[in-house]
Amino acid sequence: RKEVEQDPGPFNVPEGATVAFNCTYSNSASQSFFWYRQDCRKEPKLLMSVYSSGNEDGRFTAQLNRASQYISLLIRDSKLSDSATYLCVARRGNKLTFGTGTQLKVEL
Amino acid sequence: NAGVTQTPKFRVLKTGQSMTLLCAQDMNHEYMYWYRQDPGMGLRLIHYSVGEGTTAKGEVPDGYNVSRLKKQNFLLGLESAAPSQTSVYFCASSYEGVQPQHFGDGTRLSIL
Repeated sequence: RKEVEQDPGPFNVPEGATVAFNCTYSNSASQSFFWYRQDCRKEPKLLMSVYSSGNEDGRFTAQLNRASQYISLLIRDSKLSDSATYLCVARRGNKLTFGTGTQLKVEL
Repeated sequence: NAGVTQTPKFRVLKTGQSMTLLCAQDMNHEYMYWYRQDPGMGLRLIHYSVGEGTTAKGEVPDGYNVSRLKKQNFLLGLESAAPSQTSVYFCASSYEGVQPQHFGDGTRLSIL
């Protein structure tokens, strides 16, 4: 079993839609979590950290459920520019474990 | 403000050749990392460094060596390249191990 698992998608949504991704992690010792965004043939870039209390950054909301060991990312009012692969990341010590990513395609 | 810079951007090697990938960061970060990214596998940690003069093995270290002689540079070496090492290689750095990592724009390496 992979330490961090994501649905690969693709999620095809119309512009303006709300879309949510979930991610599960297997190691309960994971200490913190992030969402990264990766555009095609580009490097991963930090989208946001994920806090236990939930956190929001504009149209993006991240949630962490430690009891069920999953993380979620909600994108409201999707834009064409949101099309990318979203990587769920768990940190344990000074190492990050990356999920394989969920692909989002926002269409007109 | 360059951030994390990787050289070269692309390279094609023949099996058995050697090469070194260079990562340089100008953010005074202590931690540096080398990953490889393959389809369906996600990013996997090859080696990392928690400070100048230190290195440690990651998840997939076999066939690679690293050096961190200067704080700003982290070198990844392939002594005898194999087709299984065809991949996209990313370098990353962070101020501390608990902080998010900043990535370079990658090196696409093909081994024939």
